[in-house]
Amino acid sequence: KNEVEQSPQNLTAQEGEFITINCSYSVGISALHWLQQHPGGGIVSLFMLSSGKKKHGRLIATINIQEKHSSLHITASHPRDSAVYICAVSLRGSNYKLTFGKGTLLTVNP
Amino acid sequence: GAVVSQHPSRVICKSGTSVKIECRSLDFQATTMFWYRQFPKQSLMLMATSNEGSKATYEQGVEKDKFLINHASLTLSTLTVTSAHPEDSSFYICSARDLGEGYNEQFFGPGTRLTVL
Repeated sequence: KNEVEQSPQNLTAQEGEFITINCSYSVGISALHWLQQHPGGGIVSLFMLSSGKKKHGRLIATINIQEKHSSLHITASHPRDSAVYICAVSLRGSNYKLTFGKGTLLTVNP
Repeated sequence: GAVVSQHPSRVICKSGTSVKIECRSLDFQATTMFWYRQFPKQSLMLMATSNEGSKATYEQGVEKDKFLINHASLTLSTLTVTSAHPEDSSFYICSARDLGEGYNEQFFGPGTRLTVL
């Protein structure tokens, strides 16, 4: 079993829909990251969380440390949001190394 | 956010040659950089942790003599794939940890796609 599990694996939405991607982890962490990877491969760091909630534009990330769960929400989705969204965790005591989920492929249709 | 660059972005080489990939933090200092590899439709996998001024720490199963890492300054780490073979074809990504930010913040480079013929 992977230490980081994401769901769903694939998600197709219509433009304007509210989107949620979930991430569960099974180990103690010092931080959780949400990353975005576009088809060309480059990765952008969206959020780093250790507690609570963060918002940036149409993106919202939440984390529940007790339940070992995080969600990434996209409001008013747009075709340019189409990408792979990756959840990654820094394991406690791991010298900042990241362990990655398998990613969620989001496709937003116009 | 902080910027990390990689060079080259794409490289095609013949089997048996060596390829060097550079990772630079452009506007911050990074004592620690990480090198990842990603095969098609798979997760990123950490290959090694590069520490400025000391030897890199390799993950289990990664050959240190094949993947040479040098972190000579606070803004540059290099990964050299020695005697590359077709199975080394992959997407290589680095990340750098910013000393000035929250201790866990990492910034990723755009990646290097290596194709070994």
